[in-house]
Amino acid sequence: DVKVTQSSRYLVKRTGEKVFLECVQDMDHENMFWYRQDPGLGLRLIYFSYDVKMKEKGDIPEGYSVSREKKERFSLILESASTNQTSMYLCASSFREMVTGELFFGEGSRLTVL
Amino acid sequence: GQNIDQPTEMTATEGAIVQINCTYQTSGFNGLFWYQQHAGEAPTFLSYNVLDGLEEKGRFSSFLSRSKGYSYLLLKELQMKDSASYLCAYMDSNYQLIWGAGTKLIIKP
Repeated sequence: DVKVTQSSRYLVKRTGEKVFLECVQDMDHENMFWYRQDPGLGLRLIYFSYDVKMKEKGDIPEGYSVSREKKERFSLILESASTNQTSMYLCASSFREMVTGELFFGEGSRLTVL
Repeated sequence: GQNIDQPTEMTATEGAIVQINCTYQTSGFNGLFWYQQHAGEAPTFLSYNVLDGLEEKGRFSSFLSRSKGYSYLLLKELQMKDSASYLCAYMDSNYQLIWGAGTKLIIKP
């Protein structure tokens, strides 16, 4: 059974803290993605990666960075958390040839920044 | 640009049929996708349409008209477990998914 695992379901952090969100997939997928999901808005792409050590900015990269040191792991980093980064963060993965567009999602990490 | 719309919320009765519409405007198009997301859970893939017409998959069907920038998801014989949000997304010319805000479907007994 395919699986995308996000390290924390719920986090509460203070403004200015550094936050790490970890994502691991066991499907040997080349592509990995970080989205945020907010009420009334569609999923918004923060960063994505098509290969190890490779990263590309999505639509809203400001305030975030990522790391992909191993194929199965894609980390999202908030260098200095702010209240407007309170959100649900979803990690997803797919095969390189994403012709059908099927993404496999983790269950999400709900981050609250106080 | 990125422009995709779907209703915010719909209500239907158990055993009935419901159609969730999605309209989009884009200069580059590589397919239309529907995902289901139960509250507090991960979105899961339902369907993919790249050619015009209806694709049927059990109780769920998805339709696409590329010339009209229009798709719908049809759910038949509704069950309580179908209560969820349904996310529409198109794939743009860069093969990135552009997402609608989702339609929350409420099923009543």
